[in-house]
Amino acid sequence: DAKTTQPPSMDCAEGRAANLPCNHSTISGNEYVYWYRQIHSQGPQYIIHGLKNNETNEMASLIITEDRKSSTLILPHATLRDTAVYYCIVRVASLIQGAQKLVFGQGTRLTINP
Amino acid sequence: DGGITQSPKYLFRKEGQNVTLSCEQNLNHDAMYWYRQDPGQGLRLIYYSQIVNDFQKGDIAEGYSVSREKKESFPLTVTSAQKNPTAFYLCASSMALGNYEQYFGPGTRLTVT
Repeated sequence: DAKTTQPPSMDCAEGRAANLPCNHSTISGNEYVYWYRQIHSQGPQYIIHGLKNNETNEMASLIITEDRKSSTLILPHATLRDTAVYYCIVRVASLIQGAQKLVFGQGTRLTINP
Repeated sequence: DGGITQSPKYLFRKEGQNVTLSCEQNLNHDAMYWYRQDPGQGLRLIYYSQIVNDFQKGDIAEGYSVSREKKESFPLTVTSAQKNPTAFYLCASSMALGNYEQYFGPGTRLTVT
């Protein structure tokens, strides 16, 4: 089970910040939030992950609420190449609980418009 | 360039034939994975390997086989026993099993008729 809820689709203008929300209200203390994206007919691409602190890398920023029940992925200056399906995943750290696999839900189809 | 390669991109086979999908990585990762993705669906784990000469079944291993003779390579064989083999197959690797990001290859789209 994916255990996350994302809007099925979003639009964003090129050059603007794209803010993708994700609800994970049943997240437990040992679960991390991961974001991947998949451009049509390509393999998924890792974006970022975090536990409770906000994270930033060269691709995006991840904002996790204090209660960890939701998060937002921010693409600061969206380009046309950012058009993809974005997946928010909660993932345990323990192999016994299934950390060896990724479980994708339906994701958000983000369209960047010129 | 470091990364994961899968070949071929598209593969067509007749029903009843076994087919082997290639996956190679030069990231020096210990762990490798095979997933299957069907249209509009998420990923389903077929097999994974923590280290050379070791591999474990995932959630949908029936009809598939793998080998891990080299760290860099994790080929997947789709056998004739797999009832619905037509799918998009994705290979991934990570530094180790567990809470590490997985890096994916470009995928192989297999069509069996």
